[in-house]
Amino acid sequence: AQSVTQLDSHVSVSEGTPVLLRCNYSSSYSPSLFWYVQHPNKGLQLLLKYTSAATLVKGINGFEAEFKKSETSFHLTKPSAHMSDAAEYFCVVSDGGYNKLIFGAGTRLAVHP
Amino acid sequence: GAVVSQHPSWVICKSGTSVKIECRSLDFQATTMFWYRQFPKQSLMLMATSNEGSKATYEQGVEKDKFLINHASLTLSTLTVTSAHPEDSSFYICSATGGSQRGYTFGSGTRLTVV
Repeated sequence: AQSVTQLDSHVSVSEGTPVLLRCNYSSSYSPSLFWYVQHPNKGLQLLLKYTSAATLVKGINGFEAEFKKSETSFHLTKPSAHMSDAAEYFCVVSDGGYNKLIFGAGTRLAVHP
Repeated sequence: GAVVSQHPSWVICKSGTSVKIECRSLDFQATTMFWYRQFPKQSLMLMATSNEGSKATYEQGVEKDKFLINHASLTLSTLTVTSAHPEDSSFYICSATGGSQRGYTFGSGTRLTVV
């Protein structure tokens, strides 16, 4: 069975400092992994996805994530946080066949001036 | 890019009434639609998966007679919450994939409040 664990429910950073949102996954298959962002009362926007190509994935808005099979991790990073990055972030896994997605519990990112 | 239009964005209804939520894929054929619900400050929980022209597959614990899903065309899926109660108040989000859309595209969500 597939599952996703987001290790932090809340992360707070200062504007201009690095962001690290942690995600571990469990999958019996070669997984596809995604990070989505959700602003309040909005739908989800895809930040980036891993589909068995390059292990370092670059996404939109300066975000990137590294797939580490040995650690079963897919942590999301950004070198310098902006105020507009404050939102809820979801790590998501699928079995790669464009079947159903399994969502992590989410990490709320707060960015302070 | 691919767009899924979800309407309404918010709705308030009285207990006992039914509410229909629509999701339309605007520029691709959505062979598969997913419906999620999200309680405040929680993650998305998959309710059901529907393939065009077929009956929806519901996740365990989701009442199929209460949450009616129709996916009669490649561009439209609807979720009808029947005999709504206050505990059905939630944020409902659809997602679509298929055709030239190699990935999942999410609608903007519907905030349902049952009073």
